[in-house]
Amino acid sequence: DSGVTQTPKHLITATGQRVTLRCSPRSGDLSVYWYQQSLDQGLQFLIQYYNGEERAKGNILERFSAQQFPDLHSELNLSSLELGDSALYFCASSVGRTAGGYTFGSGTRLTVV
Amino acid sequence: DQQVKQNSPSLSVQEGRISILNCDYTNSMFDYFLWYKKYPAEGPTFLISISSIKDKNEDGRFTVFLNKSAKHLSLHIVPSQPGDSAVYFCAARDSGGGADGLTFGKGTHLIIQP
Repeated sequence: DSGVTQTPKHLITATGQRVTLRCSPRSGDLSVYWYQQSLDQGLQFLIQYYNGEERAKGNILERFSAQQFPDLHSELNLSSLELGDSALYFCASSVGRTAGGYTFGSGTRLTVV
Repeated sequence: DQQVKQNSPSLSVQEGRISILNCDYTNSMFDYFLWYKKYPAEGPTFLISISSIKDKNEDGRFTVFLNKSAKHLSLHIVPSQPGDSAVYFCAARDSGGGADGLTFGKGTHLIIQP
């Protein structure tokens, strides 16, 4: 157990729908990051939050949004889902800019049918 | 445009021998490099890192080498063990700004054969 909790582990939904992925960071970590791993792709950075505020944006689509709540958990909202959104979505957390990088959760596998 | 490239999708090595995983990058602003290991159905786990001011970092069986002029880094695992079979991701961090987003390669699937 890495200490980063992601729910749900699996999600199957239809095109056009909206889903919410949840992440609880490791205790004491203030930063949360979201990554997407599609088939044959590396981990694509989507967005970072630090202590409730958006810190950096990567290749996040306009149909996607995220937020970090006062208790530091984060949610990634994916709307108007397309088949191509099927992927593994990872959340990671860190105290800050550390030498060890991040601690990842085990991911949410999203399948859009 | 892929800024971090792992050109070998897979690598097969005999148990006990050396495994060498390679990674190339294009962004000169990268100042920190990391290797992550990923087993199926799990998230990536941090393995070893190196700052751009160094050319080598060692941790037990794992050594990372950085060649800044060639924009190339490699991970050496000696000796390779069956438990090392996993996907290895190379990642890099941009020195600019306060954000910590890492840029990952596509990964190399290492298979250790008995």
